[in-house]
Amino acid sequence: EIVLTQSPATLSLSPGERATLSCRASQSVSTSLAWYQQKPGQAPRLLIYDASNRATGIPARFSGSGSGTDFTLTISSLEPEDFAVYYCQQFRNWPPLTFGGGTKVEIK
Amino acid sequence: EVQLVESGGDLVQPGGSLRLSCAASGLTFSTYAMSWVRQAPGKGLEWVSRISGAGGSTNYADSVKGRFTISRDNSKNTLYLQMNSLRAEDTAVYYCAKVGSSWHFDYWGQGTLVTVSS
Repeated sequence: EIVLTQSPATLSLSPGERATLSCRASQSVSTSLAWYQQKPGQAPRLLIYDASNRATGIPARFSGSGSGTDFTLTISSLEPEDFAVYYCQQFRNWPPLTFGGGTKVEIK
Repeated sequence: EVQLVESGGDLVQPGGSLRLSCAASGLTFSTYAMSWVRQAPGKGLEWVSRISGAGGSTNYADSVKGRFTISRDNSKNTLYLQMNSLRAEDTAVYYCAKVGSSWHFDYWGQGTLVTVSS
């Protein structure tokens, strides 16, 4: 099973600041990685797939990068609606499809 | 617009059974693999099961293998999850999700809550 480790667990930032979230895989997943955003009481929403492709309707301030074992989700300038929990997910080797533990981006 | 609507969540006693449904609209349902993903209260996301578009191929997480069965009725555009021998640790919001082109999840339902407790 591929384990995904997200860091930091919590990121405290102000609106307008840049957010950099990390996801590290226990073995290479190539570019088979997705990022999701989840707000309280809501279902997750797909942001990025194949490590760097933005999903339909996702603003350009969200970008993904990386390959192999190290991945980054960057939010270039935080908007108030971006404060949420973010999860990475791998689909290189499955079953099981696995998720990281999440990074909470909170208002400083 | 793709819509996924889950139903069937409830309070059930340990050892009991429950069947979840997910009604899909806005897509050619039979074309796409589907999955169930769950989230225990205050916890992260856990993939539960996946089924191919035609329904002939299924996979399960080890935590539910032998107890849960995923199925689909393409004539009704509906996905199911039959859950037997339920345990307290199965308590979670269960989401159905459409599998995208690269095995990510591109559409999600709003979730249905399953509580296993005596």
